[in-house]
Formats: sequence, structure tokens, C-alpha cells
Amino acid sequence: DGGITQSPKYLFRKEGQNVTLSCEQNLNHDAMYWYRQDPGQGLRLIYYSQIVNDFQKGDIAEGYSVSREKKESFPLTVTSAQKNPTAFYLCASSIPGTGNTIYFGEGSWLTVV
Amino acid sequence: GNSVTQMEGPVTLSEEAFLTINCTYTATGYPSLFWYVQYPGEGLQLLLKATKADDKGSNKGFEATYRKETTSSHLEKGSVQVSDSAVYFCALRDSGGSNYKLTFGKGTLLTVNP
Repeated sequence: DGGITQSPKYLFRKEGQNVTLSCEQNLNHDAMYWYRQDPGQGLRLIYYSQIVNDFQKGDIAEGYSVSREKKESFPLTVTSAQKNPTAFYLCASSIPGTGNTIYFGEGSWLTVV
Repeated sequence: GNSVTQMEGPVTLSEEAFLTINCTYTATGYPSLFWYVQYPGEGLQLLLKATKADDKGSNKGFEATYRKETTSSHLEKGSVQVSDSAVYFCALRDSGGSNYKLTFGKGTLLTVNP
């Protein structure tokens, strides 16, 4: 079945360590996104990529980095520079265009201990 | 910039009650409106969408009409079930230069009791 796969589902990190969250899609979508969700809040955009080898900062990019070397993959690295990294991270993908749906993965929970 | 305002939750209803979740927005272009549902511990699933004025989206008994004149889209269901307990998000995807992303409301937690 087509879809978006995120891994790991749960991740614990010590302060000062970088961690990478994986996101793979087999929907043949050009655009991919990373959102962050905090309890009781809406989703906020971290980074997005509209095409391979290109990506742009979203609203809260500080302390995060991404790469887009393949169309189906868009990994997110949470660096030690991110001051408050504990959150639920959601990867998404879509066909470009206003009326087109953005589809989400199942999410990854990151806890800093 | 774009913004989405949803009614504050949590909302608690009894089974078979009528549900309305209000959503208003501001946008610079001609947006499409989306309603997503999030069950506990899961990602977001598209519930329905409306891509132009007066469109009515519907799915699984839920309906929402895109009201351009009042810049709103209210999610409704005539008879909720326990299985509808979840967080509901209103979101917009604008036209023009910012059409790459969704702008979300904060979500409304719905609990349906038997």
C-alpha cells in the first residue's frame, strides 16, 4: 500500500546529542514536509521541500536540519541547538497545488532525557 | 499572514448528540480548506476538504461547507459515536506563493461518552 513511513515511533535522546528521524514515502509526491506538534497546539512547519535537492525553512527551523537527496526520502535531524526538542514530529507529503491534500505519516515521539 | 481560529475545546458529548466545531480563517489569496482528525497517538488523517467557495465536503457522516463570505468552515455531524472521540483540526492551504504549506488551527478535542 502507498503511504508515508516514519521511524522510529519513539525515541529518547540525551541532552547535547543529535538525532535523525526518518521519513519515506512511496506516493511519488514531489513535496515533503516536517511539522512539529506540541500538546494542545496546532502543527508548526519546520522545513519543506518541493523538489529533490531543494528545501526551505519553515516557521520554526532553528535547531533542525534536513536533506532531500531522493524523491522518496526526507530525513530530519534534531540538533543539540534545538532548545526544546521534546515533541511529536510529523512528516507529510503532497502534490504541489492549493487544492491538493497533504498526507501525513504516523509520527515520531521524541523525548529528551 | 494566514491564520486559523478554532473553537476552544475540550468538547464532551453524549453518543448520538449533534456536533459543531467552528473554524474561521484569514487568508491573503484563495485558499482551500481541510479538516483533519487525529486519534490518540497517531498522525493526522484527512477527514474532508473544500477547495472553493460554497463547496461542501463530506465523509463518514461529517460535513463542512466553505463559506467565503464569512471566512469560515464549520464541521458538523448529526449523530456522534464513541469512536469519533479524537482531536479535529481545521487547516487552510492558500493560493499563491504560500501554497506549499498548511496553516493549522490549534485543534479541538472531542470526547463522546456512551
